[in-house]
Amino acid sequence: QKEVEQDPGPLSVPEGAIVSLNCTYSNSAFQYFMWYRQYSRKGPELLMYTYSSGNKEDGRFTAQVDKSSKYISLFIRDSQPSDSATYLCAGGYNKLIFGAGTRLAVHP
Amino acid sequence: NAGVTQTPKFQVLKTGQSMTLQCAQDMNHNSMYWYRQDPGMGLRLIYYSASEGTTDKGEVPNGYNVSRLNKREFSLRLESAAPSQTSVYFCASSGGLAINEQYFGPGTRLTVT
Repeated sequence: QKEVEQDPGPLSVPEGAIVSLNCTYSNSAFQYFMWYRQYSRKGPELLMYTYSSGNKEDGRFTAQVDKSSKYISLFIRDSQPSDSATYLCAGGYNKLIFGAGTRLAVHP
Repeated sequence: NAGVTQTPKFQVLKTGQSMTLQCAQDMNHNSMYWYRQDPGMGLRLIYYSASEGTTDKGEVPNGYNVSRLNKREFSLRLESAAPSQTSVYFCASSGGLAINEQYFGPGTRLTVT
């Protein structure tokens, strides 16, 4: 079993939809969590960083961590075609462990 | 600020050939990392360097060596390339106030035939 599990998708939504991306993790020692966005043939770009449990909001993006259920979520409001990318979740305590990524397509 | 840069962008090797992937960062970060990314596998850590002068193995170190040349530069060497090392390689760095946040380079696409 991978330490961080993520549904690979693809997830296809219409422009303007609310997108929910989710991951589960198995290591209860994880203290910090991140979401990266990766456009095709580019390097991952840090989107959100969360330390321990709770919510963090940045513009149209909200990251949630529930340590009791070992669940990590990213919500995208008013999704745009430019949000079409692969989204990688990651958790760690001294090293980052990544999920395999979820491909998101937002169509006009 | 270029961030994290990697060279080359693309490389094709024959089995048994060797090569070095170069990485440099201009963010004055202490820690640097090498990952490989394969379809369905996500990013897997090959080696990392927590600070200048130290290196440690990650999840998939076999077949690779690294050198932390100075604070800015961290290179990855394939001594005898194998088809299983066909992948996209990413370098990352972290440090400063946001000590856990890793910033990635654009990647090197390596094909071993």
